[in-house]
Parts: sequence; structure tokens; C-alpha cells
Amino acid sequence: DTAVSQTPKYLVTQMGNDKSIKCEQNLGHDTMYWYKQDSKKFLKIMFSYNNKELIINETVPNRFSPKSPDKAHLNLHINSLELGDSAVYFCASSQHQGNSGANVLTFGAGSRLTVL
Amino acid sequence: RKEVEQDPGPFNVPEGATVAFNCTYSNSASQSFFWYRQDCRKEPKLLMSVYSSGNEDGRFTAQLNRASQYISLLIRDSKLSDSATYLCVVNYGGSQGNLIFGKGTKLSVKP
Repeated sequence: DTAVSQTPKYLVTQMGNDKSIKCEQNLGHDTMYWYKQDSKKFLKIMFSYNNKELIINETVPNRFSPKSPDKAHLNLHINSLELGDSAVYFCASSQHQGNSGANVLTFGAGSRLTVL
Repeated sequence: RKEVEQDPGPFNVPEGATVAFNCTYSNSASQSFFWYRQDCRKEPKLLMSVYSSGNEDGRFTAQLNRASQYISLLIRDSKLSDSATYLCVVNYGGSQGNLIFGKGTKLSVKP
């Protein structure tokens, strides 16, 4: 049983297309995230949702739109794909630990997006 | 500015060696700290949390120095399977938590 699963694992597409990546977690966690890892391996947070509510929205182009239909799912839709969007996108989840903020993340296996 | 800095390496060590990684963070209000491990083309996985008093898990020892704002990871008796990138992670706090990842230190353990 995969704890955090994301699909597709690989995605190759042309510039200008619109694509979506889906993520589901079966851990019962209340917080989900999207991270982007670029070619330099730098892992940077994009969005965070707690109980379907957006709580972190870093400086990300508005071509990226997350959607959380319920607390077990967080999808990422990308419009008008650009070459610079090529990266590995990781979904993650955690259980909110109160003001200690000691969130331990469980990551999905990643979705490798290549924009041609 | 939120920053977590690590030496990118690579650290190339022979099996059995002891190797140490350091990480510095810029926000003195940071509340919690972690080391994650990322294998090539895989997702990051939690290696261990870092507590103020320092903590040990088998061959791995993590320490925190709040005054100097750095975190360390010591690996004793390195194994080939320890080869990976080690990510220093700092929680900048708040009720929701915002984890900031360092760029990682690459370790390669050779026979």
C-alpha cells in the first residue's frame, strides 16, 4: 500500500500544453504539499493545503493551480507549459503538529515533467 | 530571508569511514530540524529529527547548536548503502509549519 501516490510518474509534453498531476495519500494526514525539484536538485515548496484550505502559496506563476477536493487529494494543474517548468514535482503529506510545527513529511515518488 | 545552507560535496569516502555534514540556517526562530535522505531519482525520506540535546540512531548522530545556528550529521562506519544526498531541513515555524530544504550534500561511499 503506497502511502502517498502520485500520477503520472513521467510526463513529456510540448510547450503551451496544459497538464495535471494527481496526488493521493492514505495516511489520514491533514496537510498536503507540492514541491518542485529542479535540475540543480533544489527542493522548493510551491503550495500547502491543510484540510482542503490553501495555507502556503509561494511565489509560483499563476499558471500553476492546485486543487484539493478533499484532504486526501491534492492535484496540480499547469497551464501553458514552459521549458522552465521541466522538473520533478513531489507531492507530500504530513500531520499538523500544532504550534511546534514539527511536521514530518512523507513524499510521493515524484512526477518527472519534461517540456519540449 | 529564509535560508538553509549546506556544503554540496560530493563527499567521497571509503567504506568504514566516519563522515560529518554541517548545515547552517538563518532564522534564529526556527523550531524544528530534520535530516532527510534522498537516493538518486527517488523521493526524500526522513532520516532523523534533530533534537536540542542531540540524538543518535545507530551509526547516525545528529546535533543542534542553536547559538551558532547549525546542525550536524555524523555517520560512523560508512556503508556502501549510505551513498545518497543528505538534505538538511528546517521548520521556520508558525502554526502550519514551513519546511525549508537545503540543497543537499552528496555522499559517495566507495569499496
